[in-house]
Amino acid sequence: DVKVTQSSRYLVKRTGEKVFLECVQDMDHENMFWYRQDPGLGLRLIYFSYDVKMKEKGDIPEGYSVSREKKERFSLILESASTNQTSMYLCASSFRYGYTFGSGTRLTVV
Amino acid sequence: RKEVEQDPGPFNVPEGATVAFNCTYSNSASQSFFWYRQDCRKEPKLLMSVYSSGNEDGRFTAQLNRASQYISLLIRDSKLSDSATYLCVVIPNQAGTALIFGKGTTLSVSS
Repeated sequence: DVKVTQSSRYLVKRTGEKVFLECVQDMDHENMFWYRQDPGLGLRLIYFSYDVKMKEKGDIPEGYSVSREKKERFSLILESASTNQTSMYLCASSFRYGYTFGSGTRLTVV
Repeated sequence: RKEVEQDPGPFNVPEGATVAFNCTYSNSASQSFFWYRQDCRKEPKLLMSVYSSGNEDGRFTAQLNRASQYISLLIRDSKLSDSATYLCVVIPNQAGTALIFGKGTTLSVSS
């Protein structure tokens, strides 16, 4: 089975900190995605990547950046964390239509 | 109009009931459709794909109506373990494009 691993299950950071959320997949998938999920808003796409060093903005990229230096790793970066970035962050990878999600990182910014 | 819309529920049904969820999508060029299931505090997992001809997997039946741009999921003989949030998911155009999620419909099955 494809495994998508997110480095942290729970994270607490202070306002203004630079935050790195890491995601690693083990099936050589080309496509990787970052979503955030909030009550009443559902899953919203932040960024995605079709290949190494490629990135595309999703619906809500403001305040975020990404890095994909290796095929298996897709990092989400909060340049200066703010309280409105408190959320559940979900990483996914896919080949064609087979999407697999990581177990999520619940980030709290205080 | 939002890209993918679902009735949020919650749907509260007794065990053994039949329950149906509907979902509408706005992009008529959308190519692929899915239902995902998400348990509380867990990640979404693929439940089933949705094909134009309709498809069935045990107690679950999915239907796609392209003309009306809606997708349905029917659950027969509901079990307690079916309690979850069901997410309608659309891929707007081609393979590899990001999934577009509905906000989900919450189902609670009680004994």
